[in-house]
Amino acid sequence: KAGVTQTPRYLIKTRGQQVTLSCSPISGHRSVSWYQQTPGQGLQFLFEYFSETQRNKGNFPGRFSGRQFSNSRSEMNVSTLELGDSALYLCASSSGTGIYNEQFFGPGTRLTVL
Amino acid sequence: GNSVTQMEGPVTLSEEAFLTINCTYTATGYPSLFWYVQYPGEGLQLLLKATKADDKGSNKGFEATYRKETTSFHLEKGSVQVSDSAVYFCALSVPSEGYSSASKIIFGSGTRLSIRP
Repeated sequence: KAGVTQTPRYLIKTRGQQVTLSCSPISGHRSVSWYQQTPGQGLQFLFEYFSETQRNKGNFPGRFSGRQFSNSRSEMNVSTLELGDSALYLCASSSGTGIYNEQFFGPGTRLTVL
Repeated sequence: GNSVTQMEGPVTLSEEAFLTINCTYTATGYPSLFWYVQYPGEGLQLLLKATKADDKGSNKGFEATYRKETTSFHLEKGSVQVSDSAVYFCALSVPSEGYSSASKIIFGSGTRLSIRP
């Protein structure tokens, strides 16, 4: 079974631009979660989608948004980029039900904002 | 609220040494507990998990026991190898508000482990 894939792996943008990151979950998984990882703040939860519905949202400004398509693929968008948005963005997929199910992580997209 | 506190790193050990990385948690209800590992340049991988009190998770020589009385989930390994060098994250999973079937994972800050040959 193929793992979670994220594209692109690396991105360089400038302040004020917007960016879209993509995540393809493991086949059959309906839940996709997004995390931001930075040296200072560690791993922070952004949001989770299940069957095209956002079920959970972390404490991030409205510039961060996401969506999920009917095939469970998910995109995350950040508008009006700031220097502090530089981070590794991780996507994770799971079957999506209950607190026992394991989340499988992709390799991440490294975003650098100049 | 829900939170995870883990031992600050970095931790440096010699090969074949005994490893303990401490992790304590605060949670309402009965969370599931996890240890994830992140190797350089990669995403996170689940190392082991425990879903109820007194459960012991184990994998690749690593073990952790879900201790409800001390709200702890310490990671241990009897003899570490250079290949164990990575960042280790303790995490808990709790039900989400509003969606009974949903959960969210809360991570600790991570502990960087380096093993000397």
